[in-house]
Amino acid sequence: NAGVTQTPKFQVLKTGQSMTLQCAQDMNHNSMYWYRQDPGMGLRLIYYSASEGTTDKGEVPNGYNVSRLNKREFSLRLESAAPSQTSVYFCASSTRSGTEAFFGQGTRLTVV
Amino acid sequence: QQPVQSPQAVILREGEDAVINCSSSKALYSVHWYRQKHGEAPVFLMILLKGGEQKGHEKISASFNEKKQQSSLYLTASQLSYSGTYFCGTDNAGNNRKLIWGLGTSLAVNP
Repeated sequence: NAGVTQTPKFQVLKTGQSMTLQCAQDMNHNSMYWYRQDPGMGLRLIYYSASEGTTDKGEVPNGYNVSRLNKREFSLRLESAAPSQTSVYFCASSTRSGTEAFFGQGTRLTVV
Repeated sequence: QQPVQSPQAVILREGEDAVINCSSSKALYSVHWYRQKHGEAPVFLMILLKGGEQKGHEKISASFNEKKQQSSLYLTASQLSYSGTYFCGTDNAGNNRKLIWGLGTSLAVNP
């Protein structure tokens, strides 16, 4: 079992460029999440999807869009990257009841 | 709204005990505990639910005081593998998919 797989692992963008972070899980989980983690800030929820076909804003959604493509995949898009979006991004998934969450290995994004 | 974790950092010798606290200014429906090692993803430890139910690993213990709006994680007979940063995530609204996370407690266990 791969669990939660994120791609890419590292990315450098120039200000204004766009990109999509991919996330896929093979655990048949209903809920999926995108977090960002900054030094000294802990984890902050960007968006989540409680089930296929639904998405909701988290704590820091501005500058991001998401797509729940199917039950397995949940992508995060930066339309116009800004230096403030430099961070480590984690995708996670959990069962419908929102119990134990499994995290991907993270994407380290630098915007210059 | 962000829960406050204490202490910020702790250093132990192998075999010693530690307590990590997580306090919220709002009523808690549940508290979720995770450990993250440097450069790795967070890993689940425990969920404590309003009403007393707990779900987690057998070797980890924790408490949840609804009245005081806080939770404590108890690490006993610490091992080198316990080193890492411990985060609590709190559900203040009955939506355990929308957690608010503390800033973490850094734990180092030395031989």
